[in-house]
Amino acid sequence: DAKTTQPPSMDCAEGRAANLPCNHSTISGNEYVYWYRQIHSQGPQYIIHGLKNNETNEMASLIITEDRKSSTLILPHATLRDTAVYYCIVRVARGNKLVFGAGTILRVKS
Amino acid sequence: GAVVSQHPSRVICKSGTSVKIECRSLDFQATTMFWYRQFPKKSLMLMATSNEGSKATYEQGVEKDKFLINHASLTLSTLTVTSAHPEDSSFYICSAFPATGNSGANVLTFGAGSRLTVL
Repeated sequence: DAKTTQPPSMDCAEGRAANLPCNHSTISGNEYVYWYRQIHSQGPQYIIHGLKNNETNEMASLIITEDRKSSTLILPHATLRDTAVYYCIVRVARGNKLVFGAGTILRVKS
Repeated sequence: GAVVSQHPSRVICKSGTSVKIECRSLDFQATTMFWYRQFPKKSLMLMATSNEGSKATYEQGVEKDKFLINHASLTLSTLTVTSAHPEDSSFYICSAFPATGNSGANVLTFGAGSRLTVL
């Protein structure tokens, strides 16, 4: 199963773009990259996912490198409410389960 | 969008008693649900996969007799912590995929979690 590597923490100024990197160098061709976030004492919230192409939705953009070995989640205009732990997860190919790594603590500061 | 509901959100029990946590998919059917456990300042740890109409699949190191999982319908899975002890105190979170399709594109939806405190 492909594993992910994320920086343990990042700071971002309110109103600026937050760029959260993730390495997944052992990802398989049919595995998706998912991003979730978890605000303190809540269940994880789905943000975005992708396979090969860059993706954008109302919450964020996902940039996946051409070799698929890394990706970046972009929150275009971070707010204080975006302070959370962000998890980059690669979908296990053999089943539906998602295995969480340590994630990145994003602190948005005013 | 898909919604997963957990109940109770918080529960306090005495050591030695059993506690049941319910996980419901409100607007979709889920043949498979997942149970996670999270300790303070730690990541989510997958405990087991709950399969509708069959036995749950437990991750290595998770005690089947301690954490009983039942998935009796396409919208309900329950986790029962039996003979609870203080070390079972944790944040328990369930999640589910919609029953239709089984591709990597399916989005796993999580419940809000249930905080168990064993005195």
